[in-house]
Amino acid sequence: GIQVEQSPPDLILQEGANSTLRCNFSDSVNNLQWFHQNPWGQLINLFYIPSGTKQNGRLSATTVATERYSLLYISSSQTTDSGVYFCAVGTSYGKLTFGQGTILTVHP
Amino acid sequence: GAVVSQHPSRVICKSGTSVKIECRSLDFQATTMFWYRQFPKQSLMLMATSNEGSKATYEQGVEKDKFLINHASLTLSTLTVTSAHPEDSSFYICSAPGRKTSYEQYFGPGTRLTVT
Repeated sequence: GIQVEQSPPDLILQEGANSTLRCNFSDSVNNLQWFHQNPWGQLINLFYIPSGTKQNGRLSATTVATERYSLLYISSSQTTDSGVYFCAVGTSYGKLTFGQGTILTVHP
Repeated sequence: GAVVSQHPSRVICKSGTSVKIECRSLDFQATTMFWYRQFPKQSLMLMATSNEGSKATYEQGVEKDKFLINHASLTLSTLTVTSAHPEDSSFYICSAPGRKTSYEQYFGPGTRLTVT
């Protein structure tokens, strides 16, 4: 099956710093999503981005499908950005394979 | 975005009993829903695909007799953990596609199962 690797596994920042999270995948995909899992376990949809670039406030994402990677940018980080960020990819309708996640901690 | 709910959010049961978890799509119809499980500090793993009006499709290694899935309507899928044991304790999360024309998945808030 498809392999998904996220880096870094852990990231510690001071409030206000910028960061880049990476997701590499091993095969062509028709779905790529970024999620933020909050402390209660809820997965918050950040981006649906099988290709191209999108921005939403302080967050943006870029997927280069031909090179099989995606990047999530967080600018001017806040303590509320803390949590686990997952990249998930799909090759058939609906089924997602998740990466191992990046644990982000933002200190005030 | 689409809204998916789950009930209960948390359940504690004794070993040997069965537990039913509901997943509902609140503002859209879903002919297909998906069930995942997540162990502490780990990633999500797909367990099965729930198909409205037909049998569920299970991923390799998932016991279909232990994890019974029923997709009774276009807005409801249920996962029943039968004869639960402590190793079944986990976080169970469902998802559904928000629109028929999109692959984008929306997830429920999850159900934390603890088997004592």
